[in-house]
Amino acid sequence: DAGITQSPRHKVTETGTPVTLRCHQTENHRYMYWYRQDPGHGLRLIHYSYGVKDTDKGEVSDGYSVSRSKTEDFLLTLESATSSQTSVYFCAIKTSGSDTGELFFGEGSRLTVL
Amino acid sequence: GQNIDQPTEMTATEGAIVQINCTYQTSGFNGLFWYQQHAGEAPTFLSYNVLDGLEEKGRFSSFLSRSKGYSYLLLKELQMKDSASYLCAVFDSNYQLIWGAGTKLIIKP
Repeated sequence: DAGITQSPRHKVTETGTPVTLRCHQTENHRYMYWYRQDPGHGLRLIHYSYGVKDTDKGEVSDGYSVSRSKTEDFLLTLESATSSQTSVYFCAIKTSGSDTGELFFGEGSRLTVL
Repeated sequence: GQNIDQPTEMTATEGAIVQINCTYQTSGFNGLFWYQQHAGEAPTFLSYNVLDGLEEKGRFSSFLSRSKGYSYLLLKELQMKDSASYLCAVFDSNYQLIWGAGTKLIIKP
């Protein structure tokens, strides 16, 4: 158990509203990631972080922003949600002591934009 | 572009053996992962291959051929709890993870 929790786990919102998803870890790992998962697609990287205030874009970053003001929290914000952002969002961490670099995932946040 | 191909769905019988294939075309290669994902849950790490050959871990084995851009996951003595999606992912030359869409495995009694 890598100690990752996501909140909220489920959210329904309307088009045009802002949404923030939170990923919290308890073990001070440096690398954190936000992915989205949609049917017929592999996991797609939205943004990632390699330290406090250090973030970078992934392949599907348009419409999303992130912040990491402290090691344990990585926030994903949809400034103005659209129906195309309906998805399951997974946070992941890369543990510091891993030789292989595998990721550990949170339970996921299911977002529906009406 | 970068691409990972896996069958969308496979069906197998409890107690049998199943092989799930993954082919990849990526800009460079720094390792291949297999993850298991039960419906409604998070992916969990199964195996990692960076050198050619077979890695065995209990009922699960993973094979890699870098020259062919090919891997498979072999599941033996199938159990009902093995019903899940199996995700193949490759580290490219920049250590970015490229994910396949996953193979949904259905186990029948």
